[in-house]
Amino acid sequence: GQQLNQSPQSMFIQEGEDVSMNCTSSSIFNTWLWYKQDPGEGPVLLIALYKAGELTSNGRLTAQFGITRKDSFLNISASIPSDVGIYFCAGQPSTTSGTYKYIFGTGTRLKVLA
Amino acid sequence: DGGITQSPKYLFRKEGQNVTLSCEQNLNHDAMYWYRQDPGQGLRLIYYSQIVNDFQKGDIAEGYSVSREKKESFPLTVTSAQKNPTAFYLCASSITSWNEQFFGPGTRLTVL
Repeated sequence: GQQLNQSPQSMFIQEGEDVSMNCTSSSIFNTWLWYKQDPGEGPVLLIALYKAGELTSNGRLTAQFGITRKDSFLNISASIPSDVGIYFCAGQPSTTSGTYKYIFGTGTRLKVLA
Repeated sequence: DGGITQSPKYLFRKEGQNVTLSCEQNLNHDAMYWYRQDPGQGLRLIYYSQIVNDFQKGDIAEGYSVSREKKESFPLTVTSAQKNPTAFYLCASSITSWNEQFFGPGTRLTVL
């Protein structure tokens, strides 16, 4: 199955620093979702984006739906130790086939150094 | 509390045995999904159901089976035909298949 290109694969940052990650695809997407997953738990939805160019915030998190509809970005400001985890993007391809599956990125593993 | 529950959290089975993973939601969502997660990989779709009494194969359906007899329940059976069943299994649901998906806590299956 198709997967998104998510980068970076992992990152180590100091507490208080800002974090940026992104997902890209060769296909046009209608929806972008960003999730956070803690070890041994299910992913938790952070932000949902529905329109090209849309910029949405959730506390210290900000995500954007790329204007080309082929990419999305997630920024975390002033990171804290509890931000540690794996961040996944998911996109729903534009399709006329009647199936509305999401495609998931391989994740960005974030570690925050106190 | 509304949400998605999966049971059990951990499951151990002997090779060659079928095993059924439970997924229940009380969110009144029409669509439900099963994903498999392996280390270093994105989520891979096993089966999905857009409405009760209907389901479709995902990208890696071989060796798995599902049923959707009730709106709130979408059990997954891992059969002996699945060659590498040890993995973390995640169930998700959404209002419709167009909407964002919400995940359960997952079941870690280990085949001995």
